[in-house]
Amino acid sequence: NAGVTQTPKFRILKIGQSMTLQCTQDMNHNYMYWYRQDPGMGLKLIYYSVGAGITDKGEVPNGYNVSRSTTEDFPLRLELAAPSQTSVYFCASSYSDIAGRLTDTQYFGPGTRLTVL
Amino acid sequence: AQSVSQHNHHVILSEAASLELGCNYSYGGTVNLFWYVQYPGQHLQLLLKYFSGDPLVKGIKGFEAEFIKSKFSFNLRKPSVQWSDTAEYFCAVTYNTNAGKSTFGDGTTLTVKP
Repeated sequence: NAGVTQTPKFRILKIGQSMTLQCTQDMNHNYMYWYRQDPGMGLKLIYYSVGAGITDKGEVPNGYNVSRSTTEDFPLRLELAAPSQTSVYFCASSYSDIAGRLTDTQYFGPGTRLTVL
Repeated sequence: AQSVSQHNHHVILSEAASLELGCNYSYGGTVNLFWYVQYPGQHLQLLLKYFSGDPLVKGIKGFEAEFIKSKFSFNLRKPSVQWSDTAEYFCAVTYNTNAGKSTFGDGTTLTVKP
């Protein structure tokens, strides 16, 4: 049981480039999340998904896109990278009941450190 | 907008000192409350959580937190810190109207001097 895995661990992009951050979980969790963590700041929710085929915006979605074709995978796409997207990106997953209440904690991946120059 | 406030950005303590980190949230409805810890170079992991029941919850490594509904607070405590407790601590709140989305505080960096 690997939990939540993320690739790559580090990446440097030039302004305007695109990339996809991969996230996979093997716990059969229905909820998945993408956060960014800037220095000295807490985690800001970018996008989340309540199940395969369903995604929704979080607090800071601009400049990002997501898809959820399977329960396990939740990739985050950056189009036209900008220096403001330099951050550490965390993927997380959790299990929620039918009413949408978290019945378990969020499990986090190890993070992807992205620098846009 | 819902928010979570952690009042202490950086706390420095000596070993064996007592710790209390403040956390307040802005919403008065039903909430689930969490404290996460991020040790240097590692990813976030759960310290403890409160969903319902006894408002005093105990977590790993001797940490505990008390939910005070009237004060919208969920402060983290430890009677005697160790050098290995040096880490960043995040309070998070899930509002039951928000379909599982958590709001995180900005974090508190704890440095414990040996």
